[in-house]
Amino acid sequence: AQSVTQLGSHVSVSEGALVLLRCNYSSSVPPYLFWYVQYPNQGLQLLLKYTTGATLVKGINGFEAEFKKSETSFHLTKPSAHMSDAAEYFCAVSALGTGGGNKLTFGTGTQLKVEL
Amino acid sequence: DSGVTQTPKHLITATGQRVTLRCSPRSGDLSVYWYQQSLDQGLQFLIQYYNGEERAKGNILERFSAQQFPDLHSELNLSSLELGDSALYFCASSPRLSDYGYTFGSGTRLTVV
Repeated sequence: AQSVTQLGSHVSVSEGALVLLRCNYSSSVPPYLFWYVQYPNQGLQLLLKYTTGATLVKGINGFEAEFKKSETSFHLTKPSAHMSDAAEYFCAVSALGTGGGNKLTFGTGTQLKVEL
Repeated sequence: DSGVTQTPKHLITATGQRVTLRCSPRSGDLSVYWYQQSLDQGLQFLIQYYNGEERAKGNILERFSAQQFPDLHSELNLSSLELGDSALYFCASSPRLSDYGYTFGSGTRLTVV
């Protein structure tokens, strides 16, 4: 079974400061990992994903994440926060079902607040 | 616009009633997924259909059912509604059976009163 833990349900940073959102996973098989962002009253938008290959993954809007197998982590970072980054961020891990289907298991989310 | 269309956007109904949520996937996508987002449970996977067939099942209640039609749109039917069913219901789609990372719609907010 897969699970995801997001440390910190609320994170506050100043505009221009480093953004670091933490995600640790548990998986019995090599994981596929994702970060999604949800703006108010909207659906989830894929920021980036790790499947195989390079462990440092770059996504949209200047975000990146690094897969660290030894630490079972997939933390999301952005060098310089912008006001428009304020949103809720979800880490997720993928699992294949017996029918060949695919489901995402999400963490509980981290609300990012960006202050002037 | 993600290309995944969900209707209606908002739905208010009484306990004990039945509702149908509709999802049209992105053009060309064969897989449709349903998720429930609530304050106490977070984002929970309900079910996946691929080209009309059920392929993965999550924590979907027996009062809930879904199907995918030949034109690939999907419907989620919720019956004998309870207050606790109030939530955001998301549909997502992807091109294949086992894609990694799919596209979400903007959701249907269901309020049961």
